[in-house]
Amino acid sequence: AQKVTQAQTEISVVEKEDVTLDCVYETRDTTYYLFWYKQPPSGELVFLIRRNSFDEQNEISGRYSWNFQKSTSSFNFTITASQVVDSAVYFCALSEPYIGGYQKVTFGTGTKLQVIP
Amino acid sequence: DSGVTQTPKHLITATGQRVTLRCSPRSGDLSVYWYQQSLDQGLQFLIQYYNGEERAKGNILERFSAQQFPDLHSELNLSSLELGDSALYFCASSHGGRAADTQYFGPGTRLTVL
Repeated sequence: AQKVTQAQTEISVVEKEDVTLDCVYETRDTTYYLFWYKQPPSGELVFLIRRNSFDEQNEISGRYSWNFQKSTSSFNFTITASQVVDSAVYFCALSEPYIGGYQKVTFGTGTKLQVIP
Repeated sequence: DSGVTQTPKHLITATGQRVTLRCSPRSGDLSVYWYQQSLDQGLQFLIQYYNGEERAKGNILERFSAQQFPDLHSELNLSSLELGDSALYFCASSHGGRAADTQYFGPGTRLTVL
């Protein structure tokens, strides 16, 4: 069965510290997709990244980087030199083909990140 | 701005009532999804439509129903409302509804049942 675990419920860091948000997933499919979304205090869900199961290259986008390791079923997200604007709830999600090929998405419970000035 | 619009932004109603939430997908997207986000249940997938047809069902109660119209906007109907239905309801859209597609979320409708 599909499952996404974000074991860290809440993390607090001081501004400029690096922080890593963990995401562990379970799936029986060989083809699947992983996502990270950010939910700032304003409430909307903002797409950050998509990674497919065949691409284990790490990705860096500015201060954000993602480490995908199939061997440990993990897709961790690191923010370097954190800023107050990074304060939000971050969700990891797993998308698998469903009946007819349509997607079934399971979200983790989210990690609330608080960056203290 | 994701390009997905939802109305209304806030809704306050009483138990037993019925409400309709509306969603317009991004231009060109054919698939619409509905999610419920509450403190105790997290982000729960409710239902997916693709080009007017239901494609996937999640944890959607029988008191809830949805549809997608020919212009691709979607409505989520919640009836016989209970206190526990108070939540943030998100609509998302994607181009094809396939596993590879990225879902873009609307701003949500906050429903309060008193």
